Amino acid sequence: DTAVSQTPKYLVTQMGNDKSIKCEQNLGHDTMYWYKQDSKKFLKIMFSYNNKELIINETVPNRFSPKSPDKAHLNLHINSLELGDSAVYFCASSQVYLAGSTGELFFGEGSRLTVL
Amino acid sequence: AQTVTQSQPEMSVQEAETVTLSCTYDTSESNYYLFWYKQPPSRQMILVIRQEAYKQQNATENRFSVNFQKAAKSFSLKISDSQLGDTAMYFCAFMKPGRGGADGLTFGKGTHLIIQP
Repeated sequence: DTAVSQTPKYLVTQMGNDKSIKCEQNLGHDTMYWYKQDSKKFLKIMFSYNNKELIINETVPNRFSPKSPDKAHLNLHINSLELGDSAVYFCASSQVYLAGSTGELFFGEGSRLTVL
Repeated sequence: AQTVTQSQPEMSVQEAETVTLSCTYDTSESNYYLFWYKQPPSRQMILVIRQEAYKQQNATENRFSVNFQKAAKSFSLKISDSQLGDTAMYFCAFMKPGRGGADGLTFGKGTHLIIQP
Protein backbone atom coordinates (compact mmCIF):
# COMPACT_ATOMS: atom_id res chain seq x y z
CA ASP A 1 0.00 0.00 0.00
CA THR A 2 1.37 3.39 -0.99
CA ALA A 3 1.48 5.70 2.03
CA VAL A 4 1.25 9.00 0.13
CA SER A 5 0.05 8.82 -3.45
CA GLN A 6 -0.17 11.57 -6.04
CA THR A 7 -1.81 11.58 -9.42
CA PRO A 8 -0.92 12.15 -12.11
CA LYS A 9 2.85 11.48 -12.04
CA TYR A 10 3.36 13.48 -15.23
CA LEU A 11 1.41 16.34 -16.82
CA VAL A 12 2.26 18.09 -20.06
CA THR A 13 0.03 21.00 -20.90
CA GLN A 14 -0.17 24.30 -22.74
CA MET A 15 0.18 27.75 -21.22
CA GLY A 16 -3.10 29.14 -20.03
CA ASN A 17 -4.66 25.78 -19.19
CA ASP A 18 -5.93 24.74 -15.77
CA LYS A 19 -4.73 21.53 -14.13
CA SER A 20 -5.13 19.65 -10.86
CA ILE A 21 -2.91 17.28 -8.92
CA LYS A 22 -4.49 14.96 -6.39
CA CYS A 23 -2.90 13.66 -3.21
CA GLU A 24 -4.05 11.06 -0.74
CA GLN A 25 -2.39 9.68 2.39
CA ASN A 26 -3.41 6.51 4.21
CA LEU A 27 -1.18 7.03 7.25
CA GLY A 28 -3.79 8.74 9.39
CA HIS A 29 -1.63 11.86 9.61
CA ASP A 30 -3.13 15.19 10.62
CA THR A 31 -1.00 17.49 8.43
CA MET A 32 -0.42 17.57 4.69
CA TYR A 33 1.85 19.75 2.59
CA TRP A 34 2.59 20.79 -0.97
CA TYR A 35 6.20 21.42 -1.97
CA LYS A 36 7.57 22.72 -5.28
CA GLN A 37 10.93 21.46 -6.55
CA ASP A 38 12.40 23.72 -9.21
CA SER A 39 14.82 22.88 -11.99
CA LYS A 40 17.76 23.36 -9.62
CA LYS A 41 16.22 20.79 -7.25
CA PHE A 42 15.41 23.35 -4.57
CA LEU A 43 12.42 22.30 -2.45
CA LYS A 44 10.17 25.03 -1.15
CA ILE A 45 6.97 24.68 0.82
CA MET A 46 3.86 26.09 -0.78
CA PHE A 47 1.04 25.13 1.58
CA SER A 48 0.36 23.13 4.70
CA TYR A 49 -2.97 21.96 6.00
CA ASN A 50 -3.82 20.59 9.41
CA ASN A 51 -7.12 18.72 9.67
CA LYS A 52 -8.44 20.53 6.59
CA GLU A 53 -7.40 23.95 7.91
CA LEU A 54 -4.86 26.03 6.00
CA ILE A 55 -1.80 26.65 8.18
CA ILE A 56 0.88 27.87 5.80
CA ASN A 57 0.41 29.73 2.57
CA GLU A 58 3.80 30.82 1.36
CA THR A 59 4.28 33.47 -1.28
CA VAL A 60 2.53 31.58 -4.02
CA PRO A 61 0.51 33.17 -6.85
CA ASN A 62 -3.20 32.95 -6.18
CA ARG A 63 -3.49 30.93 -9.37
CA PHE A 64 -2.56 28.05 -7.06
CA SER A 65 -5.41 26.90 -4.88
CA PRO A 66 -5.18 23.97 -2.49
CA LYS A 67 -8.28 22.12 -1.43
CA SER A 68 -8.59 19.63 1.40
CA PRO A 69 -11.93 17.78 1.34
CA ASP A 70 -10.88 15.70 4.35
CA LYS A 71 -7.72 15.19 6.33
CA ALA A 72 -6.56 12.33 4.07
CA HIS A 73 -6.68 14.39 0.87
CA LEU A 74 -5.01 17.58 -0.28
CA ASN A 75 -5.42 18.55 -3.91
CA LEU A 76 -3.66 21.31 -5.79
CA HIS A 77 -5.41 23.23 -8.54
CA ILE A 78 -3.49 25.57 -10.81
CA ASN A 79 -5.23 28.10 -13.04
CA SER A 80 -3.85 29.84 -16.11
CA LEU A 81 -0.62 27.87 -16.20
CA GLU A 82 2.59 29.73 -17.01
CA LEU A 83 5.96 28.52 -18.27
CA GLY A 84 7.47 29.20 -14.83
CA ASP A 85 5.09 26.74 -13.21
CA SER A 86 7.04 23.87 -14.77
CA ALA A 87 8.43 21.93 -11.81
CA VAL A 88 8.00 18.80 -9.77
CA TYR A 89 5.28 19.12 -7.13
CA PHE A 90 5.49 16.93 -4.04
CA CYS A 91 2.75 16.15 -1.62
CA ALA A 92 3.75 15.08 1.90
CA SER A 93 2.14 14.24 5.19
CA SER A 94 3.16 14.20 8.84
CA GLN A 95 1.69 13.59 12.26
CA VAL A 96 2.28 16.90 14.00
CA TYR A 97 -0.21 17.38 16.81
CA LEU A 98 0.62 14.28 18.76
CA ALA A 99 2.98 13.93 21.69
CA GLY A 100 6.03 11.94 20.71
CA SER A 101 5.52 12.39 16.98
CA THR A 102 8.78 12.04 15.06
CA GLY A 103 8.33 15.05 12.83
CA GLU A 104 9.15 12.96 9.78
CA LEU A 105 7.48 13.95 6.52
CA PHE A 106 6.39 11.16 4.22
CA PHE A 107 6.50 12.19 0.58
CA GLY A 108 4.58 11.15 -2.48
CA GLU A 109 6.48 10.29 -5.65
CA GLY A 110 6.08 13.76 -7.09
CA SER A 111 4.20 15.06 -10.11
CA ARG A 112 6.27 16.52 -12.93
CA LEU A 113 4.43 19.39 -14.56
CA THR A 114 5.66 20.64 -17.92
CA VAL A 115 4.07 23.77 -19.34
CA LEU A 116 4.67 24.35 -23.07
CA ALA B 1 12.86 32.18 10.04
CA GLN B 2 15.17 29.25 9.75
CA THR B 3 17.79 28.81 7.05
CA VAL B 4 19.68 25.69 6.03
CA THR B 5 22.93 25.85 4.08
CA GLN B 6 24.63 23.05 2.19
CA SER B 7 27.89 24.37 0.82
CA GLN B 8 28.81 21.42 -1.42
CA PRO B 9 26.70 21.40 -4.60
CA GLU B 10 28.34 18.20 -5.82
CA MET B 11 30.68 15.53 -4.50
CA SER B 12 32.17 12.45 -6.09
CA VAL B 13 33.87 9.53 -4.34
CA GLN B 14 34.90 5.98 -5.17
CA GLU B 15 32.81 3.04 -4.09
CA ALA B 16 33.64 1.80 -0.56
CA GLU B 17 35.08 5.16 0.48
CA THR B 18 33.72 7.26 3.31
CA VAL B 19 32.19 10.63 2.48
CA THR B 20 30.93 13.48 4.65
CA LEU B 21 28.28 15.95 3.53
CA SER B 22 28.11 19.23 5.39
CA CYS B 23 25.11 21.21 6.58
CA THR B 24 24.78 24.30 8.71
CA TYR B 25 21.61 25.97 9.85
CA ASP B 26 20.46 29.08 11.57
CA THR B 27 17.64 29.24 14.10
CA SER B 28 16.67 30.92 17.34
CA GLU B 29 14.80 27.81 18.50
CA SER B 30 16.30 25.73 21.30
CA ASN B 31 14.59 22.50 20.34
CA TYR B 32 14.04 21.23 16.82
CA TYR B 33 14.51 18.28 14.51
CA LEU B 34 17.12 17.86 11.82
CA PHE B 35 16.89 15.43 8.94
CA TRP B 36 18.81 14.14 5.98
CA TYR B 37 16.68 13.09 3.04
CA LYS B 38 17.93 11.28 -0.04
CA GLN B 39 16.49 11.75 -3.52
CA PRO B 40 17.76 9.16 -6.03
CA PRO B 41 17.10 9.50 -9.75
CA SER B 42 13.71 7.87 -9.17
CA ARG B 43 12.70 11.22 -7.59
CA GLN B 44 11.36 9.63 -4.42
CA MET B 45 12.23 11.48 -1.19
CA ILE B 46 13.61 8.99 1.33
CA LEU B 47 14.41 9.70 4.96
CA VAL B 48 18.01 8.76 5.73
CA ILE B 49 18.43 9.86 9.34
CA ARG B 50 16.85 12.08 11.96
CA GLN B 51 18.23 13.95 14.97
CA GLU B 52 16.43 15.65 17.83
CA ALA B 53 18.28 18.72 19.03
CA TYR B 54 17.85 17.98 22.72
CA LYS B 55 19.61 14.62 22.31
CA GLN B 56 23.35 14.95 22.56
CA GLN B 57 24.03 11.52 21.13
CA ASN B 58 24.60 11.50 17.39
CA ALA B 59 22.08 9.47 15.42
CA THR B 60 23.24 6.40 13.50
CA GLU B 61 21.47 4.25 10.91
CA ASN B 62 23.64 1.42 9.62
CA ARG B 63 26.27 3.03 7.32
CA PHE B 64 24.88 6.53 7.92
CA SER B 65 25.77 8.66 10.91
CA VAL B 66 25.64 12.32 11.78
CA ASN B 67 27.95 14.71 13.56
CA PHE B 68 25.60 17.09 15.34
CA GLN B 69 27.26 20.17 16.83
CA LYS B 70 24.46 22.22 18.37
CA ALA B 71 26.54 25.19 19.44
CA ALA B 72 28.08 25.46 15.99
CA LYS B 73 24.70 24.77 14.33
CA SER B 74 26.26 22.09 12.23
CA PHE B 75 24.75 18.77 11.14
CA SER B 76 26.98 16.73 8.83
CA LEU B 77 26.18 13.33 7.36
CA LYS B 78 28.81 10.61 7.11
CA ILE B 79 28.32 7.71 4.74
CA SER B 80 30.66 4.80 5.37
CA ASP B 81 31.51 2.09 2.84
CA SER B 82 29.69 4.02 0.13
CA GLN B 83 27.76 2.01 -2.45
CA LEU B 84 26.64 2.74 -6.01
CA GLY B 85 23.07 2.94 -4.75
CA ASP B 86 24.02 5.89 -2.56
CA THR B 87 24.24 8.06 -5.68
CA ALA B 88 21.54 10.69 -5.13
CA MET B 89 20.75 14.25 -4.10
CA TYR B 90 21.01 14.63 -0.36
CA PHE B 91 19.00 17.30 1.41
CA CYS B 92 19.52 18.58 4.90
CA ALA B 93 16.31 19.81 6.52
CA PHE B 94 15.10 21.56 9.66
CA MET B 95 11.78 21.35 11.43
CA LYS B 96 10.35 22.96 14.55
CA PRO B 97 8.92 20.41 16.96
CA GLY B 98 5.33 19.92 18.04
CA ARG B 99 2.80 22.30 16.52
CA GLY B 100 5.68 23.98 14.69
CA GLY B 101 5.79 20.93 12.49
CA ALA B 102 2.84 22.33 10.64
CA ASP B 103 5.31 24.79 9.14
CA GLY B 104 6.92 21.84 7.40
CA LEU B 105 10.56 21.23 6.60
CA THR B 106 13.00 23.93 5.59
CA PHE B 107 15.45 22.39 3.13
CA GLY B 108 18.98 23.19 2.09
CA LYS B 109 19.78 23.38 -1.61
CA GLY B 110 21.10 19.84 -1.68
CA THR B 111 24.34 18.05 -2.44
CA HIS B 112 24.55 15.81 -5.48
CA LEU B 113 26.59 12.79 -4.40
CA ILE B 114 28.05 10.55 -7.09
CA ILE B 115 29.55 7.20 -6.17
CA GLN B 116 32.02 6.03 -8.82
CA PRO B 117 32.60 2.30 -9.44
